[in-house]
Amino acid sequence: AQSVTQPDIHITVSEGASLELRCNYSYGATPYLFWYVQSPGQGLQLLLKYFSGDTLVQGIKGFEAEFKRSQSSFNLRKPSVHWSDAAEYFCAVGAGTAGNKLTFGGGTRVLVKP
Amino acid sequence: DTAVSQTPKYLVTQMGNDKSIKCEQNLGHDTMYWYKQDSKKFLKIMFSYNNKELIINETVPNRFSPKSPDKAHLNLHINSLELGDSAVYFCASSPPPHYEQYFGPGTRLTVT
Repeated sequence: AQSVTQPDIHITVSEGASLELRCNYSYGATPYLFWYVQSPGQGLQLLLKYFSGDTLVQGIKGFEAEFKRSQSSFNLRKPSVHWSDAAEYFCAVGAGTAGNKLTFGGGTRVLVKP
Repeated sequence: DTAVSQTPKYLVTQMGNDKSIKCEQNLGHDTMYWYKQDSKKFLKIMFSYNNKELIINETVPNRFSPKSPDKAHLNLHINSLELGDSAVYFCASSPPPHYEQYFGPGTRLTVT
């Protein structure tokens, strides 16, 4: 069975500092990996996705993520956080097929200090 | 130019009632989904349709019945609402070949 673990429930970071959110997955085949962001009261916005190829993927809003197969990880990073990055972040894994059932991690809430 | 839209955004109702949530996408995607997000923000898939055909039906009470009148619409009807049905329900759609999912704004259902 597939599963996703986000070890950090909350992270507080100062504006302008770097951010790294951890994601570990368990999946029996080649994983299709995603990061989503959910601002308060909003839906989920796709930040980036990994299917194959280059293990460092670039997304929107200055985010990037690195796929490490040996560690079963797909960590999200941003070099310099803005106050508008305060939100809940979800990592997800799926099969990349029709009826792609995404399994989500529990989320990491990011708070940004001025 | 809304991509995935849901109505209503908020729904407050009493136990035992029947309610529906509507979802529409204008992205031209063939596959659509319903997810439930509970009070702890945990997201879990409920259903998936591909070209109006049900392809995923997770362990969901049969009080929940999805209906897809066409590829652009996926509605969710809930009978005999219970307190535990209170949650945010998200609709999503996805394109081939990799089927990344694009989510609607959610419908917050509160059962009193």
